[in-house]
Amino acid sequence: IQLTQSPSSLSASVGDRVTITCRASQGISSYLAWYQQKPGKAPKLLIYAASTLQSGVPSRFSGSGSGTDFTLTISSLQPEDFATYYCQQLNSYPPTFGQGTRLEIK
Amino acid sequence: QVQLVESGGGVVQPGRSLRLSCAASGFTFSSYGMHWVRQAPGKGLEWVAVIWYDGSNKYYADSVKGRFTISRDNSKNTLYLQMNSLRAEDTAVYYCAREAAEGMDLWGRGTLVTVSS
Repeated sequence: IQLTQSPSSLSASVGDRVTITCRASQGISSYLAWYQQKPGKAPKLLIYAASTLQSGVPSRFSGSGSGTDFTLTISSLQPEDFATYYCQQLNSYPPTFGQGTRLEIK
Repeated sequence: QVQLVESGGGVVQPGRSLRLSCAASGFTFSSYGMHWVRQAPGKGLEWVAVIWYDGSNKYYADSVKGRFTISRDNSKNTLYLQMNSLRAEDTAVYYCAREAAEGMDLWGRGTLVTVSS
C-alpha cells in the first residue's frame, strides 16, 4: 500500500491553521498513524487510529479520515511544531510510511 | 525510565555483516511487538522488520528480505537486527520502536550504519 502526502513542504506562520493530507493507494479503514520528527531526533507518535490523540500530545493536533483519505490538522501553529510529519498505514504489512511533509517557518 | 537504546552501528564495507541491538527498559518488553525502522541521510522513514512479542512471527521489507534477520531475547529485554550482505543503500540511521495498539509509541534515538568501502 502506497501513501502519498501533500504537500511535500509547507511554509506557515505561528498561529496559522495547517492541514496535511495523506492518501492511500487502497482502503485502509482507520489504520493510520501520524508522526512528528524534528531534525536529529526520533519520530514521535501524534495520532493513531486516524483520529485518536496519543497521550501527552497537545489538543491543537487532530486527525480525521477513513478509507483512503486522511488529514492531520494543527489548529494554531506553535514554534515547536515546525518539523517533518509522516503518515503510516498499519492495515497490512509492510506498514508503509508516506514520504513526509516538511513544515517550515514563513 | 521507559526507553529503548540502540547500539552496534558503525562503518562497514559492502558485503560484510553487522548486528544491531536495542536494549529495552522500564516496561514489560516481552508483551510488545518490536520494529526496526531506518532513515537514509536526508530521506524519509522506511520500515524494515517486525517481530511479534513472543518471537513467533517475523515480517520483512522486500528490500532486506533474505539479508536481514530480526530476533529478540526476552530474558535480556533486547531486540536484534542481524544485517548480512550489506549494500551502500543500507546506509541509514536504524531505529527500534515499540508497537502500540495502532502505531509505534516508543522509539530509540537510533544508531547510524554506514556502508562504504
